Amino acid sequence: AQSVTQLDSQVPVFEEAPVELRCNYSSSVSVYLFWYVQYPNQGLQLLLKYLSGSTLVKGINGFEAEFNKSQTSFHLRKPSVHISDTAEYFCAVSDAGGTSYGKLTFGQGTILTVHP
Amino acid sequence: DGGITQSPKYLFRKEGQNVTLSCEQNLNHDAMYWYRQDPGQGLRLIYYSQIVNDFQKGDIAEGYSVSREKKESFPLTVTSAQKNPTAFYLCASSITGDPEAFFGQGTRLTVV
Repeated sequence: AQSVTQLDSQVPVFEEAPVELRCNYSSSVSVYLFWYVQYPNQGLQLLLKYLSGSTLVKGINGFEAEFNKSQTSFHLRKPSVHISDTAEYFCAVSDAGGTSYGKLTFGQGTILTVHP
Repeated sequence: DGGITQSPKYLFRKEGQNVTLSCEQNLNHDAMYWYRQDPGQGLRLIYYSQIVNDFQKGDIAEGYSVSREKKESFPLTVTSAQKNPTAFYLCASSITGDPEAFFGQGTRLTVV
């Protein structure tokens, strides 16, 4: 079984400030890691994913995340946020050895609010 | 354009009625999924299907049913046995062997 914990339910930040959204996971097997973004009343859009290789992953909209296997973390960062980054962000994992990779386990979500 | 279409976007039903949510994809993906989203709980897997005419229960299947008669379609029925059906429902699909899942725009179901 896998579990994902997003350590902050809400993160307020001022425009152009840096931000970090924290995600820890628990799994007995190797995992793939994902960050998704959701705007109000919309579906989920993939920001970035870690499958293998370099532990620093770059995604869309200037976001990046670092996979830390020893700390079982996959924190999301952006050096300078914009008002348009206001949304809910979800961390998710899937079993890397499984046959159904879209079978995801999600964290509870972090609402990022960017203030002018 | 390829994608996943969920309809309707908003759905209202009276308590005790069954309701079916539509999910259609033209991405030629083999696998399809239904997730339920509640505030502060993230998304939870209801059912998934890796191939036509086959599907498996997810973590919260009670009170729901699905069918997969065509590759493109994976409708979800919320039955009267579901004790708290009001939620946002998201359909997703993926290619077998590819870790990335693609999501539809969701259906918000309100039961009154």
